[in-house]
Amino acid sequence: QSALTQPASVSGSPGQSITISCPESSSDVDYHDFVSWYQQHPGKAPQLLIYDVSRRPSGVSDRFSGSKSGNTASLTISGLLAEDEADYYCSSYTGSTTVFGTGTKVTVL
Amino acid sequence: QLQVQESGPELVKPSETLSLTCTVSGASISSTPSYWGWVRQPPGKGLEWIGSIYYSGPSGPTYYNPSLKRRLAISVETSKNQFSLRLASVTAADTAVYYCAQSDRSCTTTRCYTFRFDPWGQGTLVTVSS
Repeated sequence: QSALTQPASVSGSPGQSITISCPESSSDVDYHDFVSWYQQHPGKAPQLLIYDVSRRPSGVSDRFSGSKSGNTASLTISGLLAEDEADYYCSSYTGSTTVFGTGTKVTVL
Repeated sequence: QLQVQESGPELVKPSETLSLTCTVSGASISSTPSYWGWVRQPPGKGLEWIGSIYYSGPSGPTYYNPSLKRRLAISVETSKNQFSLRLASVTAADTAVYYCAQSDRSCTTTRCYTFRFDPWGQGTLVTVSS
């Protein structure tokens, strides 16, 4: 099972909004209804930001939002802050396994 | 507040078995049916789901990454409030930071799909080398 292909990097200035895409691995079945997103700062464990496309666990800032259009899920970070500089991973299902995306490095300019 | 913490050897020889334990604090692992899981991350690379276990009694189902299934075993030790990972016949490709986490699973009325992980342990680097 191959990793989901995410853009390698996305950048933005403080206060801007950025979007990270995560294409579904298979178009046969709508597994992407259950996409999750994680944030990982260098040297730290990942943290769950979004699950089931758009649900936020308690304690996660509402600046993070998830959506899905067609076969592509997206994570949007609004009001970009310096602390948002991190790696972001999507995660979905491939029919037999949970798979993560390749990761996107977000840089705050 | 539930927390999880990995422990185990930092160095494992090729062909031997990698064994890690995840200690759960802040809640009893047997008090509520729950999923528990393992994820790893090779140095400088992305995340890989290893496997998960659903504890609802003495013999909860396990779910393994097909690429690791032949070498993998995940189990729960309720008396110690821990769950564990055993990966046999390791090679240098198994060198990674190993994370344990409480897990949950997205389900509809007829089927279950992807696992999600929250919270995570801090991770432990396991190096496979002679």
